[in-house]
Amino acid sequence: EPEVTQTPSHQVTQMGQEVILRCVPISNHLYFYWYRQILGQKVEFLVSFYNNEISEKSEIFDDQFSVERPDGSNFTLKIRSTKLEDSAMYFCASRKGTGGGQYFGPGTRLTVT
Amino acid sequence: QKEVEQNSGPLSVPEGAIASLNCTYSDRGSQSFFWYRQYSGKSPELIMFIYSNGDKEDGRFTAQLNKASQYVSLLIRDSQPSDSATYLCAVSNSGTYKYIFGTGTRLKVLA
Repeated sequence: EPEVTQTPSHQVTQMGQEVILRCVPISNHLYFYWYRQILGQKVEFLVSFYNNEISEKSEIFDDQFSVERPDGSNFTLKIRSTKLEDSAMYFCASRKGTGGGQYFGPGTRLTVT
Repeated sequence: QKEVEQNSGPLSVPEGAIASLNCTYSDRGSQSFFWYRQYSGKSPELIMFIYSNGDKEDGRFTAQLNKASQYVSLLIRDSQPSDSATYLCAVSNSGTYKYIFGTGTRLKVLA
């Protein structure tokens, strides 16, 4: 069964450094998402991406964040200058069409020191 | 602020019983409702979704939606210890791509 994959599984970085989190959505899906989950807290929407552009973003997704779909398979989240409070689990998700639910990848645990 | 509320639990049920998980939402424009299961340290796993008022069944799971009361629930029949996890409710408005998640209800099924 097709699944969303994410790399790396764990990323440790120093405050102020740039990180890129990578995702490969399910191949015939059209809608792509990034979420984050701080330990012990709820899953928070960051951004949705459709037709090669951002369709919606949350207040969390400020100028430090960007997303890209550089080719037909990868979907990336870049954090330009990481802060301690960016430490969280980051999930990528994809959805096939306008109906149906999203399928989540296994996540990348980001630790900012 | 559009909210999705869930009782954090834990909800403890004996093996074989029916577990009932509840979720309320504040945005009357919400159109799509999703239930996810999340094991500790893992990613959310889609269980089922519902769009219309009433019940929708999928195996041991039944989702119930009441838009007038802004209430959605998940029933798990014949609960098993492997069902022990956190259950997340998520809501989406048709005019948005954004999904709002509740904090989840932790379910413990006792063998």
